This record gives sequence, structure tokens and C-alpha cells, in this order.
Amino acid sequence: NAGVTQTPKFQVLKTGQSMTLQCAQDMNHNSMYWYRQDPGMGLRLIYYSASEGTTDKGEVPNGYNVSRLNKREFSLRLESAAPSQTSVYFCASSLTVQNIQYFGAGTRLSVL
Amino acid sequence: SQKIEQNSEALNIQEGKTATLTCNYTNYSPAYLQWYRQDPGRGPVFLLLIRENEKEKRKERLKVTFDTTLKQSLFHITASQPADSATYLCALASNKFYFGSGTKLNVKP
Repeated sequence: NAGVTQTPKFQVLKTGQSMTLQCAQDMNHNSMYWYRQDPGMGLRLIYYSASEGTTDKGEVPNGYNVSRLNKREFSLRLESAAPSQTSVYFCASSLTVQNIQYFGAGTRLSVL
Repeated sequence: SQKIEQNSEALNIQEGKTATLTCNYTNYSPAYLQWYRQDPGRGPVFLLLIRENEKEKRKERLKVTFDTTLKQSLFHITASQPADSATYLCALASNKFYFGSGTKLNVKP
């Protein structure tokens, strides 16, 4: 009964380092999303994948790339981390776009 | 530009009272609106969905209204309990998904 699983849960990076956040869902959902959440800013959409094989930019895509590896997995990559990318990152999935979203537990990222 | 507004100030109420949270939006024509609950350190959890042609939706102690003329949704928790303390987020489904910044609810015993 895992739902949406994100790894890692915590990460500290130095400026300029790269890393990939992993997300997997076991609900056979078509759509997957990556959000960042900053204090007072709410959830902001970074990228989403409406269906396997497609990805689209959200509200704040700069500095990020994504890969929809298969129907289950959607990864988020930071090529050269910046302190402004310090945030909590949430992955979510839904049956289709506009349906109810199910969220992972989040990844807390600090960039020093 | 498109905008969703929720009261950024925390709402403090006494146990047993009704909590009412507001979500206002501009420049959207949402197909429907959703409400989520978020506890500290956790991801949001879906609570209720209301479609544009529905005025009101209920689930146990929760009630949501949706006024597309006023561009506003109200979220009510009746007979509130300390366990209802959390941040509540509204989300609009238009061509994409847009979340408000949330309102923190504190229910005091």
C-alpha cells in the first residue's frame, strides 16, 4: 500500500552539485507532477507529465529537468544546484490531469 | 495573471465551533476545485472535490461551497476538534493544477 514513494527524504548539496530526486507510484496513474513548497508560497508546479512519454513545464521550471522513465517513475534533476533551490519537493500522481492528486512524503533539500 | 488567494493569517478557533476557510481566485475558469489538508512534515492529502456546476458538497463534518460568479470557495469544518488543526490548501483544476498557499487552522481545546 505504498502509494507515492520519494527518495531521498533529506539531502544537503553544495552549490553547483547535481542530483536526481526519484519518485515512483504504484497506483497505475497516468499523470505525475513535481512541486516545490516554500514558506508562504504554497505549492508551485515545476514540471508535470500528463501521460507516459510526455512532459510539460509548470510555473517554475528553470533550473530543473525531468524524465518520465516509465508509467511508474518520474524523476527530477537539478543539474547545478543553487541556494534558491533550497525547498521541500513533493511528487504527486493522479489518474489523469485534473483528477485527485496523491502526494509523496516530500524531499527536504538544502543547498549551501 | 492567474491567482489563487487564501488567507495567510492563521485561523484560531475554539473546539466545537465551526471553522470557515476562504479560497478566492481570479482569471480562471476552473472545471472544479479541490481542498487538501497538510500536516507538518507531510504531503497534502485530498479531502473534497466540488465541480463547477455544484453549489455545495458535504462529507461528514466537512462542507465545501463553490460560487463561480464570486470566484470563491468556502470550506467549513463543523464541531471542530484539536485534531483538525492543520494547513488547508485549495486547488483549482483548469488546464493545469494550481494550489493556493494554504491557511493554517488552530483548534484550541
